[in-house]
Amino acid sequence: GAGVSQSPSNKVTEKGKDVELRCDPISGHTALYWYRQSLGQGLEFLIYFQGNSAPDKSGLPSDRFSAERTGGSVSTLTIQRTQQEDSAVYLCASSLVGIGGQETQYFGPGTRLLVL
Amino acid sequence: DQQVKQNSPSLSVQEGRISILNCDYTNSMFDYFLWYKKYPAEGPTFLISISSIKDKNEDGRFTVFLNKSAKHLSLHIVPSQPGDSAVYFCAASGKSNRDDKIIFGKGTRLHILP
Repeated sequence: GAGVSQSPSNKVTEKGKDVELRCDPISGHTALYWYRQSLGQGLEFLIYFQGNSAPDKSGLPSDRFSAERTGGSVSTLTIQRTQQEDSAVYLCASSLVGIGGQETQYFGPGTRLLVL
Repeated sequence: DQQVKQNSPSLSVQEGRISILNCDYTNSMFDYFLWYKKYPAEGPTFLISISSIKDKNEDGRFTVFLNKSAKHLSLHIVPSQPGDSAVYFCAASGKSNRDDKIIFGKGTRLHILP
């Protein structure tokens, strides 16, 4: 496909379980971003990848959150020991070069996570 | 502390009239501003942007106005159409941000009434 894809589209899990969210960016895009949108909130920045490295992890809310990117393409966001406050829509975006905020980011449809 | 504020959670406008969505920011170092549009169950899509060296940028029915002294920008949609019903996010970036990332507002839900 031509756009950013994310899987799963919906995930329901029990508190304390680990979850893994996947993002396939647009082919050739070197920059990849993860955001979170909680109910009634804006888009909260989580982490930014330039290639396979993450120069900015400042938005990760706790050490239960981690992300990796391999081959300069697919990225996975892992949440360990999920808590109810982790329930949100997790959005992935990619951009061609990653020159900061002056480059259009293309978003995937998001993964809706519900922690019971 | 929110650096980008969209104080109206929702807005209803009659079809054919002008929709005006407002956004305020607090960081005077922001130098680039964007609007994204989001439909339910979809990711946000880029709509229009403006650099701080300009005070207006127009693209078809969409115009963004920037008032740097007031730290305020607005998105005008005219005429409003049913397909414009969506959530609109204002966003800002600048060299003062850590790694130039975009800071998003909470969004305004626009309802276009028939």
